[in-house]
Amino acid sequence: SQQGEEDPQALSIQEGENATMNCSYKTSINNLQWYRQNSGRGLVHLILIRSNEREKHSGRLRVTLDTSKKSSSLLITASRAADTASYFCATDNGSGGSQGNLIFGKGTKLSVKP
Amino acid sequence: DARVTQTPRHKVTEMGQEVTMRCQPILGHNTVFWYRQTMMQGLELLAYFRNRAPLDDSGMPKDRFSAEMPDATLATLKIQPSEPRDSAVYFCASGLVLGGWGTDTQYFGPGTRLTVL
Repeated sequence: SQQGEEDPQALSIQEGENATMNCSYKTSINNLQWYRQNSGRGLVHLILIRSNEREKHSGRLRVTLDTSKKSSSLLITASRAADTASYFCATDNGSGGSQGNLIFGKGTKLSVKP
Repeated sequence: DARVTQTPRHKVTEMGQEVTMRCQPILGHNTVFWYRQTMMQGLELLAYFRNRAPLDDSGMPKDRFSAEMPDATLATLKIQPSEPRDSAVYFCASGLVLGGWGTDTQYFGPGTRLTVL
């Protein structure tokens, strides 16, 4: 069943602009992760935010989490052509004690034009 | 630099043939996942193992798909007989799952692109 839903489905911006992607989920979670997938490649973990955290930074990435709204956002600042990829949010199933399985959304396809 | 490896990277086969995909998880990881990715359905979890024991394979069509971990360094996903609707990219991922507040980060292989004619 779908847990995370990314929005928008596709985003096209110019190099140097910021890119914001959103994710909504349905049930309670222990943590939420964002992954990137370059064309023809496997997913790569970007950042994890725990349910008791509201914001986290990693380089040009900023993730926020609002558990009351069951939503998260991923902000990429000063985007580069190399950021062109699909971005997925993934949540655990929120049961007490993680089982390790994640539920992925369908992703946001980001295109950064040079 | 530890990585998940998958073979083959590409496979073209005819309907009815058996297909076996292999995965070598990262050494020390205790959990292995199999996913299928298509444009229509996105990324679907097929099955996963903890310490080589199957935990959940409810995402897998049981009549034709089977997943095993013969040892800690090898996971296999088999389709017999294959059908055109099985055409997809199959990913293996591994992770160290500690439960509770464990990070549950998954490390993905490059995928096997399967085409069934």
